[in-house]
Amino acid sequence: AQKITQTQPGMFVQEKEAVTLDCTYDTSDPSYGLFWYKQPSSGEMIFLIYQGSYDQQNATEGRYSLNFQKARKSANLVISASQLGDSAMYFCAMREATGGSYIPTFGRGTSLIVHP
Amino acid sequence: EAGVVQSPRYKIIEKKQPVAFWCNPISGHNTLYWYRQNLGQGPELLIRYENEEAVDDSQLPKDRFSAERLKGVDSTLKIQPAELGDSAVYLCASSLRGQASNEQFFGPGTRLTVL
Repeated sequence: AQKITQTQPGMFVQEKEAVTLDCTYDTSDPSYGLFWYKQPSSGEMIFLIYQGSYDQQNATEGRYSLNFQKARKSANLVISASQLGDSAMYFCAMREATGGSYIPTFGRGTSLIVHP
Repeated sequence: EAGVVQSPRYKIIEKKQPVAFWCNPISGHNTLYWYRQNLGQGPELLIRYENEEAVDDSQLPKDRFSAERLKGVDSTLKIQPAELGDSAVYLCASSLRGQASNEQFFGPGTRLTVL
């Protein structure tokens, strides 16, 4: 079974609008972390935001927020006020604490295009 | 502060040839990861080191892939012999050990093309 599912292969958004990128996850471990990364066409992976499984509040980092719905095993990324520079691949990832190790698993990614 | 350094950035080889990738993590980061990213997919973990010890290598095809991190700092990933299906981007990342919240910092990757 897929541990991380990103169902949107591609998304389009108008500049200055908000966009939500979906991510669902599957784990039986009570302790885990959820991450979002941005990968521009240049190839580097850029960390955006982190949510721990025990965190009570949704994480926010500037224009990025994580809509964490634990019961639904959902960790959607919300980008507010999209900018042209937000055009990139976005990856959701989970790190499970299994036996003291933290095993990272990435989804297949969503391509976001911001148009003027 | 310098980021994760990888070399080479690009490598083109013929199948059955050997190839090696080098990674120098961020200073002070005990944990080092090697990932393979196929076109259109997310990174897949190949191996994770805590200092010089390989602690997660179940995804590493051990018949042809090997890795080392002898002094717990920089690391080398080798493929011998390379196959056509090994064409991918090989990413190295590092993080501080021990906390699930610790983000990974990625290098720019090495794009391998096997002809």
